[in-house]
Amino acid sequence: EVQLVESGGKLVQPGGSLRLSCAASGFSVSSKYISWVRQAPGRGLEWVAVMFPTGLSQYKDSVKDRFTVSRDNSRNTVDLQMLNLGDDDTAIYYCATALVGTTYGDFDSWGQGALVTVSS
Amino acid sequence: DIHVTQSPSSLSASIGDTVTITCRASEDINKKLNWYQQKPGKAPKLLIYSSSTLQTGVTSRFSGSGSGADFTLTIYSLQPEDFAMYYCQQTYSRPLTFGGGTKVEVK
Repeated sequence: EVQLVESGGKLVQPGGSLRLSCAASGFSVSSKYISWVRQAPGRGLEWVAVMFPTGLSQYKDSVKDRFTVSRDNSRNTVDLQMLNLGDDDTAIYYCATALVGTTYGDFDSWGQGALVTVSS
Repeated sequence: DIHVTQSPSSLSASIGDTVTITCRASEDINKKLNWYQQKPGKAPKLLIYSSSTLQTGVTSRFSGSGSGADFTLTIYSLQPEDFAMYYCQQTYSRPLTFGGGTKVEVK
């Protein structure tokens, strides 16, 4: 069974940095597309970034100079490093995997989410 | 970026009703449109992908249709567990974008 568990969410000051981790079980993180999707409090869903099985990654323009996705095959985790955080980065951050054989955006499995609050 | 406009933003319905939610993309996205259900405090759940393909394990009371720029999610015979938020999502091009959501409430 595919399971995703995010960790690392916390309160951080504006301009600060934070690293979230997505621990996977039931599959190898190197075999699937894994995305980060965020949801600001009371708001809708926003795709942030994706890690491809090849190891390449892509980002939403508004975060591409500040966020970095990385993968650790030995730990079976995908991390999201976030720099220079601002108020509008406050959100629940979900990691999600895509259906096999479809596009990287067909999110069939999600973690429970990690809350990141940016505030002084 | 492809903008996805979802309507209505909310609707009230009764058990047993049929409800329809629509999404319009700002350009032709072929059939690259998904639907998700989200309940309070929970992660979204994939209902339908590629406009009309029912995700494994999802009840056939959910149906999706459309192509090009206009899409519809229909929920037949609304059940208590269907009261939730619904989001559409285009996967035609990066960045992936979501509609603003539709809250289905009890009338």
